[in-house]
Amino acid sequence: AQTVTQSQPEMSVQEAETVTLSCTYDTSESDYYLFWYKQPPSRQMILVIRQEAYKQQNATENRFSVNFQKAAKSFSLKISDSQLGDAAMYFCAYRTSTGNQFYFGTGTSLTVIP
Amino acid sequence: ETGVTQSPTHLIKTRGQQVTLRCSSQSGHNTVSWYQQALGQGPQFIFQYYREEENGRGNFPPRFSGLQFPNYSSELNVNALELDDSALYLCASSLGDSRHRDEQFFGPGTRLTVL
Repeated sequence: AQTVTQSQPEMSVQEAETVTLSCTYDTSESDYYLFWYKQPPSRQMILVIRQEAYKQQNATENRFSVNFQKAAKSFSLKISDSQLGDAAMYFCAYRTSTGNQFYFGTGTSLTVIP
Repeated sequence: ETGVTQSPTHLIKTRGQQVTLRCSSQSGHNTVSWYQQALGQGPQFIFQYYREEENGRGNFPPRFSGLQFPNYSSELNVNALELDDSALYLCASSLGDSRHRDEQFFGPGTRLTVL
């Protein structure tokens, strides 16, 4: 069974600094997709970044980048130049290449300190 | 372009009752997925509807059922409510083709409380 683990329930970062959120997953599949979603206090979940397992290059979206280590089944999110608007719950998620089901981790609550 | 909307925002029910939650998908989207998010947890996949047919189901009992209508809006029905059904229910819409399948757009959720 696929599981997604986020071992950091809470993280904090100074504004303008860099923070890394951790995620590990367990799967026997070789082809799959990984995601980071952001859920602000307003509750509407937003896709932050997406990584295809067959791609070795780490995905980047502006200030957000990932460190994808396939062998270690690790998928961390780096937020550079943190902004107050980055404060939210961050969820790591997994989907097989053929399935429709997304598996989410338990989330990391990020606080940005002014 | 209209985003994903859900109704109602909040709902309080008692054990044993039945509830219907509604979701309007983003304009042009033909796929709706439903998730249950318990307090302090990540979303758990309930099921997905694609062009009015169930297209995948998570580990939820049959008392969780759904519908998708020709306009691609969707309902989640839960019968015989239990206390553990208290959660935020999220729906997400997407285009069902392989290129856009991952681009889920989430609604704000319905907070269900079962007393």
